Formats: sequence, C-alpha cells, structure tokens
Amino acid sequence: SQQGEEDPQALSIQEGENATMNCSYKTSINNLQWYRQNSGRGLVHLILIRSNEREKHSGRLRVTLDTSKKSSSLLITASRAADTASYFCATDSNTGKLIFGQGTTLQVKP
Amino acid sequence: DVKVTQSSRYLVKRTGEKVFLECVQDMDHENMFWYRQDPGLGLRLIYFSYDVKMKEKGDIPEGYSVSREKKERFSLILESASTNQTSMYLCASSPGGGVSNQPQHFGDGTRLSIL
Repeated sequence: SQQGEEDPQALSIQEGENATMNCSYKTSINNLQWYRQNSGRGLVHLILIRSNEREKHSGRLRVTLDTSKKSSSLLITASRAADTASYFCATDSNTGKLIFGQGTTLQVKP
Repeated sequence: DVKVTQSSRYLVKRTGEKVFLECVQDMDHENMFWYRQDPGLGLRLIYFSYDVKMKEKGDIPEGYSVSREKKERFSLILESASTNQTSMYLCASSPGGGVSNQPQHFGDGTRLSIL
C-alpha cells in the first residue's frame, strides 16, 4: 500500500537554482520524513517533521507540511552538483510502519 | 555517527540456493529492518525486528525469513532463491520507542543477482 507519492518524478536544474519536490499522502499521519539516496548507496535521513509542525529548516533544506492538504514539500536552496540524488518522503501508516514513496530524481547540472 | 554495515555490496547466487544477507549496526538500536528496492516499486518492507529474537512481517515476507540472535545483527535469509528476488536489499536500524517516529539509518545495500 502506497502512502506517500512524490512529484515530480524527475527534476533537472542548474547549479545555484532552487529545487522543490512535493509529497502527497492519503491518510492522516503523525510524522513525515525526507531521505536522500545517492546512486548505488543507502538512504540518508534529512528531516523529520511532526504533524503539529508546519515548517522545519536544516541548512539549505526547508520542509513544509500542510496536513489539511495532506502534502509536504522539500525545498533545496542554492543547489549544488553534490545535491544530485533521489529524494524520498516516508510517512507513518496505521500499521505503525514507515511507508516510502517512489522518490524524485534530482539532477543538478554544474 | 551510526554505522550500519551490510556484509556484501554485490552478490551473485543461483536459483534454489539458500542465501544469507547479514547486517550489523553499532549504535545499540532496538529496531532493525530489511527492505528491498526495485525500480518503479520503491522501497518495500520485508521484515523488521524490535528486539532480540522478535520479528514481524512487513509487506512482502513471502520467500524470506529473518534471524536476530544478537541485538546488533539482523540476518535476512532467502530460503530457496528465485530470479524474482534479484534486487537491491537495504538494511536499516532505529532507536526504540516507536518504529515509524524515529529516523532510520541505512546501510549501503546489497545488490543481489539470482541466476
């Protein structure tokens, strides 16, 4: 069962531009997490945002959560070539497990 | 930093073989997970464990079993490997206190090919 779905599936931008990825989910959540995966590697946790929070920052990352729209966005400001990766949202489900979306593939061109 | 180590980055096995994938974490985490990742299907949970000798089925447990005899080690077993189990396998761990409200720490994955 798929809870989070990312949009767009793929994104290509120039270095220095901002990148925005969106995640929509179907059922109510307690928290939502964002992860990054570099090619051929494991996932790295970026940010966890709880349902009572609207926005969270970490360095060049900004995550927003709109529970009324059942959506979240991840903004990467001033992108770098090293930000090239796949980005996944993950939500808790009514079974208590994390459900991952299929990810957005971001390419940042130098 | 949490380190989750998977025993092999690449593994090639034959159909019908019994295959063991090993995962070790060094942060005394209670929870450990096995996922498989396939193009177009994302990450799917196979099994997880919230304590030594405890296990729970994930979304796709068929054809797999797990073993957790020590807190730091979680093994995934393919009882009789089949070609449809060719995939990237990812191990993860997280602290106790809830399976879905803690960040998970991932290993670098094992790319398994079944011929």
